[in-house]
Amino acid sequence: DAKTTQPPSMDCAEGRAANLPCNHSTISGNEYVYWYRQIHSQGPQYIIHGLKNNETNEMASLIITEDRKSSTLILPHATLRDTAVYYCIAYNAGNNRKLIWGLGTSLAVNP
Amino acid sequence: DTAVSQTPKYLVTQMGNDKSIKCEQNLGHDTMYWYKQDSKKFLKIMFSYNNKELIINETVPNRFSPKSPDKAHLNLHINSLELGDSAVYFCASSHTNREANQPQHFGDGTRLSIL
Repeated sequence: DAKTTQPPSMDCAEGRAANLPCNHSTISGNEYVYWYRQIHSQGPQYIIHGLKNNETNEMASLIITEDRKSSTLILPHATLRDTAVYYCIAYNAGNNRKLIWGLGTSLAVNP
Repeated sequence: DTAVSQTPKYLVTQMGNDKSIKCEQNLGHDTMYWYKQDSKKFLKIMFSYNNKELIINETVPNRFSPKSPDKAHLNLHINSLELGDSAVYFCASSHTNREANQPQHFGDGTRLSIL
């Protein structure tokens, strides 16, 4: 599985967009980019995933660069409840089903 | 409706004891997992079962023994508990489909403290 690197922490003002970057320069062709988050004292929560194309759901948007070496998770209107640790993971469920977790980005949404 | 539920939520016990953590999912998934999150917040896979068959067994002491009575349940039994076993243990489940990647869904964790 490809390793991902993320900034350890970020701040965002409430109501503004939060853009969380992730580098995955060694990602292989069949690995998806997954994003999860962990709100304090809760289990990880799935946000979104993608392979090549940009993806959007009710929670967030995922922008993947054309070379697939990096991606950005966008929370369009961050709220205080979005304060959490965000994890970017390169993963292929068909291969070994192991999610390899880093330390993620601790996002603080400020009022 | 709770999708992945773990019991107990908190477990405080003494060193040397044997304890079990239970996990159940009502999502109809065929694969279940156990993860350990230590004090440094790293999440590490421990075990994975697919349709009651062990498919992932990471380097975990053999004091830890998972048991899957059916594909909706994956329990974790720990013998002779040690101080280093103190952590949060998360159960997760997913639908295994080689044609489309499916995300894993997590429970809220069991906080194990060894005295």
